Amino acid sequence: DVQLVESGGGLVQSGGSLRLSCVASGFTFSDYAMNWVRQAPGKGLEWISYISSSTTTTFYTDSVKGRFTISRDNAKNSLYLQMNSLRAEDTAVYYCARDRNIPGGRIPFDYWGQGTLVTVSS
Amino acid sequence: SYELTQPPSVSVSPGQTARITCSGDALPKQYAYWYQQKPGQAPVMLIYKDRERPSGIPERFSGSSSGTTVTLTISGVQAEDEADYYCQSADISGTYVFGTGTKVTVL
Repeated sequence: DVQLVESGGGLVQSGGSLRLSCVASGFTFSDYAMNWVRQAPGKGLEWISYISSSTTTTFYTDSVKGRFTISRDNAKNSLYLQMNSLRAEDTAVYYCARDRNIPGGRIPFDYWGQGTLVTVSS
Repeated sequence: SYELTQPPSVSVSPGQTARITCSGDALPKQYAYWYQQKPGQAPVMLIYKDRERPSGIPERFSGSSSGTTVTLTISGVQAEDEADYYCQSADISGTYVFGTGTKVTVL
């Protein structure tokens, strides 16, 4: 079975840093692009970052550009999100989610982890 | 920035049909996807590529598309279908976007 398990969340002061991890199992991690999606308390889903299977391509939503860095270690079946200069508005549950490749494109977010809560105090 | 607009809430009686719309200018050119999220849980994919259903998703969930609007239909609603539902697509550059979300209440 596909499993994605996030960790690394917690309470951090405004301006601080945090590194999230997502460990994958049940599939060949190196074959799949991955994403981070967040959800502020009581709010909707927000895609924040994407990384291709080979790490050559990354994308970010505008609100985290220059502050967050997505990376992966295919040998460790792990996805990471380095978050710097954190703000109160970054408070959210952070999910990792897989993209599935299909002929001619990909299907986004076909599997999700259970999420890890990041709280930024001001 | 690109937006996908959903109704905030939909109420439906058990056994009836619920329809949730999602509107966005790029939907004629980009596929739509639907996710169900129950309280305290991660989202689950219900529909991909406008109308395809992943294995394990009940047949009562279906998707359709017409112009700038896509629709998730839940036929024969059950109590367990009470949840938040999100559409998702991409803008013309391919950047992922989620809809505003719809809370489905089963009366």
